Amino acid sequence: GEDVEQSLFLSVREGDSSVINCTYTDSSSTYLYWYKQEPGAGLQLLTYIFSNMDMKQDQRLTVLLNKKDKHLSLRIADTQTGDSAIYFCAESRRSGAGSYQLTFGKGTKLSVIP
Amino acid sequence: GAVVSQHPSRVICKSGTSVKIECRSLDFQATTMFWYRQFPKQSLMLMATSNEGSKATYEQGVEKDKFLINHASLTLSTLTVTSAHPEDSSFYICSARALGGGAYEQYFGPGTRLTVT
Repeated sequence: GEDVEQSLFLSVREGDSSVINCTYTDSSSTYLYWYKQEPGAGLQLLTYIFSNMDMKQDQRLTVLLNKKDKHLSLRIADTQTGDSAIYFCAESRRSGAGSYQLTFGKGTKLSVIP
Repeated sequence: GAVVSQHPSRVICKSGTSVKIECRSLDFQATTMFWYRQFPKQSLMLMATSNEGSKATYEQGVEKDKFLINHASLTLSTLTVTSAHPEDSSFYICSARALGGGAYEQYFGPGTRLTVT
């Protein structure tokens, strides 16, 4: 199919690690992204990974990419209540017009329990 | 970092009227702007891509006569919802990419909540 798939909900306790998973479809995607959306707000780019990388770490965030399985994950270490938001996985695809455009998953709502 | 603003943040209008939403890149020149629509608990759906000075490219199923997009300058794109209906109520988000910007250098506005009564 053409969808970017994510589980819709994740609940974790404050201080634990959160792992949000995503499967994408286009093996030619050059970049894969994680965005954060807080209630009533736009999207904030959290991190991205180039398709020739397996892992990228940025402070509390770790992105793992399995190209063979087209699987992307985002791990948030020491999850805080401020991390409660919706997290979108996205892949960049080349459109028919030749430009790159983002295709988003439905988002995973992360709830952090104090 | 690059900032994209949207105005208004929230608008309520009556059925049959038109409403304009502005998207501005504040500290960079956006040669390409994107307009998305987001339904509650849904993903972002790309509506159209606009390049400065040329006509917007609409995604399949998006009525170009209903959703008018104007990208008249390198820092401003507008989306006008014409003859609005209650089913047009949604969260509209724009994003902008600078000239030569990589696929990851796409910055999002805070969104505009449109309610049509």
